[in-house]
Amino acid sequence: GESVGLHLPTLSVQEGDNSIINCAYSNSASDYFIWYKQESGKGPQFIIDIRSNMDKRQGQRVTVLLNKTVKHLSLQIAATQPGDSAVYFCAERDNAGNMLTFGGGTRLMVKP
Amino acid sequence: KAGVTQTPRYLIKTRGQQVTLSCSPISGHRSVSWYQQTPGQGLQFLFEYFSETQRNKGNFPGRFSGRQFSNSRSEMNVSTLELGDSALYLCASSLILAGGGEQYFGPGTRLTVT
Repeated sequence: GESVGLHLPTLSVQEGDNSIINCAYSNSASDYFIWYKQESGKGPQFIIDIRSNMDKRQGQRVTVLLNKTVKHLSLQIAATQPGDSAVYFCAERDNAGNMLTFGGGTRLMVKP
Repeated sequence: KAGVTQTPRYLIKTRGQQVTLSCSPISGHRSVSWYQQTPGQGLQFLFEYFSETQRNKGNFPGRFSGRQFSNSRSEMNVSTLELGDSALYLCASSLILAGGGEQYFGPGTRLTVT
């Protein structure tokens, strides 16, 4: 499959445990944030998004937390499964530019 | 509903040549964005087209260009290829401008420049 990053930070978790993936952003003007999952050989897949007027949003087995004070975003995955193994990217939108800027990504490895 | 398709999936070119990549968005989607993904630089935004007009542009040289047709299909062109252009080129479509909502990515075109 495609290699999306040779030197990505890696998070290794045991199947069934919860995972927390972190992302720091630098633009205080960003008002919209998205988490993507990219599996080997595929394009990024939307997981969950959050707007800057919220600090928490929940989906199915996933929760995104936004701390605007320290410009930090996190993705929590409950009961991590082998199928969750992938590279996870956060992305932010500048409220002026309508462009998305992606973070460097974190590789999640789930041990059975 | 068919997803975003990109052609070709793999391409090998020589330095100095030019290349054209194609992207067909999800039916009904009017926005197409292009990204370059490399191990060193990660995912970088190239440009976005909406209703045949370029709406946003990233920080890439003029060798990188694109266009969108009336049926929302998009092409990107890279002229005078350099070794550093070797990357996975991803296209994403969305109903509205990319920054406003969910984008759907294609599988990418792997370009190798030798």
